[in-house]
Amino acid sequence: DIQMTQSPSSLSASVGDRVTITCRASQTIFTYLNWYHQIPGKPPKVLIYSASHLESGVPSRFSGSGSGTDFTLTINSLQPADFGTYYCQQSYTTPHSFGQGTKVDIK
Amino acid sequence: EVQLVQSGAEVRKPGESLNISCQGSAFSSPNYWVGWVRQMPGKGLEWIGIIYPSDSETTYSPSFQGRVTISADKSINTAYLHWSSLQASDTAIYYCATWSGTYRAFDYWGQGALVTVSS
Repeated sequence: DIQMTQSPSSLSASVGDRVTITCRASQTIFTYLNWYHQIPGKPPKVLIYSASHLESGVPSRFSGSGSGTDFTLTINSLQPADFGTYYCQQSYTTPHSFGQGTKVDIK
Repeated sequence: EVQLVQSGAEVRKPGESLNISCQGSAFSSPNYWVGWVRQMPGKGLEWIGIIYPSDSETTYSPSFQGRVTISADKSINTAYLHWSSLQASDTAIYYCATWSGTYRAFDYWGQGALVTVSS
């Protein structure tokens, strides 16, 4: 199985800050990488697919980059609605494993 | 927009069996799979497996192979997750989600079903 490792595990940031979350795969996954956001008590929601493609309806302050084994999710100008946990997921091969999550708190 | 509606919360004793369901409108669409994801209390997301409703081809995570069974009835647009013998460690929220073969991502999610296994 491909292991996905996110960093940091948690962070606190202020409204308006730029936030960066990284995800590393244990082997190359090309650009088969998705990002999800989950608010407590709700199902996850896809933000980014194929490493850098913004899902329809997702605010443009979210962006993704990377290829191979190293990927980044960036949130420009953090908003209160952005608190919660972010997960990366590789879609290169089954099982389509998730990272352990990055919890974002709003200061 | 695709909507996935999952069955409600369940409480079972260890050793009991259980089926939970997920009904959605996209199950008969080409290039769409239905997957199941586990979230244990306070923990992250775990990929359980995926089924192609049109032919019931199923793939499991090795971590869940033999522990659960995924099935689907395309005639009623419903997927199922089945346990034959529950354990306390199966206590979790279980989400179903549609997997887009085009975007290779879970694009629509059910509301989640809480399964509690306790003696």
